[in-house]
Amino acid sequence: QQQVKQSPQSLIVQKGGIPIINCAYENTAFDYFPWYQQFPGKGPALLIAIRPDVSEKKEGRFTISFNKSAKQFSLHIMDSQPGDSATYFCAATTSGTYKYIFGTGTRLKVLA
Amino acid sequence: NAGVTQTPKFQVLKTGQSMTLQCAQDMNHNSMYWYRQDPGMGLRLIYYSASEGTTDKGEVPNGYNVSRLNKREFSLRLESAAPSQTSVYFCASIITGTSGGYTFGSGTRLTVV
Repeated sequence: QQQVKQSPQSLIVQKGGIPIINCAYENTAFDYFPWYQQFPGKGPALLIAIRPDVSEKKEGRFTISFNKSAKQFSLHIMDSQPGDSATYFCAATTSGTYKYIFGTGTRLKVLA
Repeated sequence: NAGVTQTPKFQVLKTGQSMTLQCAQDMNHNSMYWYRQDPGMGLRLIYYSASEGTTDKGEVPNGYNVSRLNKREFSLRLESAAPSQTSVYFCASIITGTSGGYTFGSGTRLTVV
């Protein structure tokens, strides 16, 4: 029940495409869902996050879609660029614990 | 502002050796965490410290110990390293009660031979 399942493991898109990364969870107590971006040799960095009281959040070219009833959330990258090539992790946590449960990661490659 | 600083960046150990990974943050965060990252397994929580003076086990604590030395510093110790502990280790911190998310260090790549 503590798992966060992330798919796909890897993704290749052309520049300008819209890669979509999906995550699913079981624990209905989770109430904060961040996405992290990690470049090779670096630590993960917070990209965007959502709480379950909204169904969508946009920050620049990055959008999270959230489906509370299905217990799923996804990251969309609009007009993807080669500089977006990185590994993306979804995560979930319950307020008050601040112990993040991470997905297994998606390696994204955007071709020029 | 340095954020979260981890040392060393790289380390090779022989099986059975011990070492301590250091982590320090200068953001006045109260909670700190140690994760390990392995291919295909994401980031798994080893230990965490919700506040100065407290530590708790995470998902994969076996073979590790931690010390929350003060508010800034949280160290991870391997008493007798094993090849299964070959991994990249990340320290993270957060101010609990905020929505900013974890800040991660740049990692320590550890190889146990």
